[in-house]
Formats: sequence, C-alpha cells, structure tokens
Amino acid sequence: NAGVTQTPKFRVLKTGQSMTLLCAQDMNHEYMYWYRQDPGMGLRLIHYSVGEGTTAKGEVPDGYNVSRLKKQNFLLGLESAAPSQTSVYFCATERGSGYNEQFFGPGTRLTVL
Amino acid sequence: AQSVTQPDIHITVSEGASLELRCNYSYGATPYLFWYVQSPGQGLQLLLKYFSGDTLVQGIKGFEAEFKRSQSSFNLRKPSVHWSDAAEYFCAVGARSNDYKLSFGAGTTVTVRA
Repeated sequence: NAGVTQTPKFRVLKTGQSMTLLCAQDMNHEYMYWYRQDPGMGLRLIHYSVGEGTTAKGEVPDGYNVSRLKKQNFLLGLESAAPSQTSVYFCATERGSGYNEQFFGPGTRLTVL
Repeated sequence: AQSVTQPDIHITVSEGASLELRCNYSYGATPYLFWYVQSPGQGLQLLLKYFSGDTLVQGIKGFEAEFKRSQSSFNLRKPSVHWSDAAEYFCAVGARSNDYKLSFGAGTTVTVRA
C-alpha cells in the first residue's frame, strides 16, 4: 500500500502560470485535506473534502480550487500562480466520522518566481 | 475559534536528556488535542492524541503528553532524547463545532546535540 502520495514533489512556476497538484490515496478514506506550510506559521488548511464530489473552503482558500471527482483523488489547482503561493503543500486523509488520525503525504515544494 | 500557541520556536537538547515541548490552546469547550512530528523532508506523523479520559496519554517513540484544563495546555515530554528525535513538532487542536478541522501551532524545531 502506498498510503498517501503527492505529485509532483517539486515544481517551479512563473507568475501567472497554472498547475495542478495531485493527491492520491489507497486507504479508502472519506476525508481529504490540502494544507500549506510556511515557515513560522505551521500548517494552514486550504480546502477539504468530506467525500467524493464534495469540497469546502478552509482557512486560506483564495487563489486555489479543488476537485474530488473520485474518492481516491483530491486535486489542488492554481489558476494563476503568485509568488505568495510559494510554499510546501501537504495532502492528508482521514477515515472520517469524527476525529481520527490524519495521514499525510510527503509534500510538494512549489516555488513561484 | 480555536487556536494553538507553541511558545518555543527552537529547542536544543543533549542526547539522553529530557525534553518538554509546550503547547497552549484556546477553545471554550473540551478540545481534541494532537501532537505530530515532521522529520526533515517528510510529511507529518501522529505521535499521540487526547480526546477524553486519562489526562496523561502515551504515544509512539516513547513520547507522552499531559492535558491540563486549568492551564489550557497539552505539553509533550520524553524522558530521554535520541538523536533521531531531531525534527519539527506540531501541536494541533480540533473541535466538533468546527467540523473537526484541525488548527496547527507554528511548530517547535528540536535539535539534538551529541
């Protein structure tokens, strides 16, 4: 079992370019999350999903869109990248139905020039 | 809204010495509390969690944490640190009223010296 995987691991974009980050899980978890991690700020929730076909905004959703067309995949899109979106992005999954452990992917390091 | 404060940005500890990382939370009702560890270049891994019951919880890798409601704290401890404990540690708080979403602290980086 791969657990939670993220693609790509690294990416450099120019301002205004678009890209999609893919999170895939093989744990059959209902909940999936996208976080960004910035120095001195911990993890902040961008968007999340409580099931296939559902998405919701987190703490810092501006500039990002998400889709959960299949239960195992959660996509994070940047339509027009900005330098402020330079960060490390983590995907996490959770079994659901109340508090359980969140399982994290290895992260994607994104630099926007 | 819930929030978490980790007062120590960076702690250096000698191998074999004890370690305590502080975490203070802000939330009106009983929170759900977590400690995660992040090794360099890795994702986060759950060390332990507190939902209710015994206020002293045991986790993996020899860590424990104590929930103190009167102090709004959930400090993480380890009696004897190993070099492999060098990592960044995050405290997180959640609440049923916030749809179980977690709020993370800024993290504490632990350096272990020989």
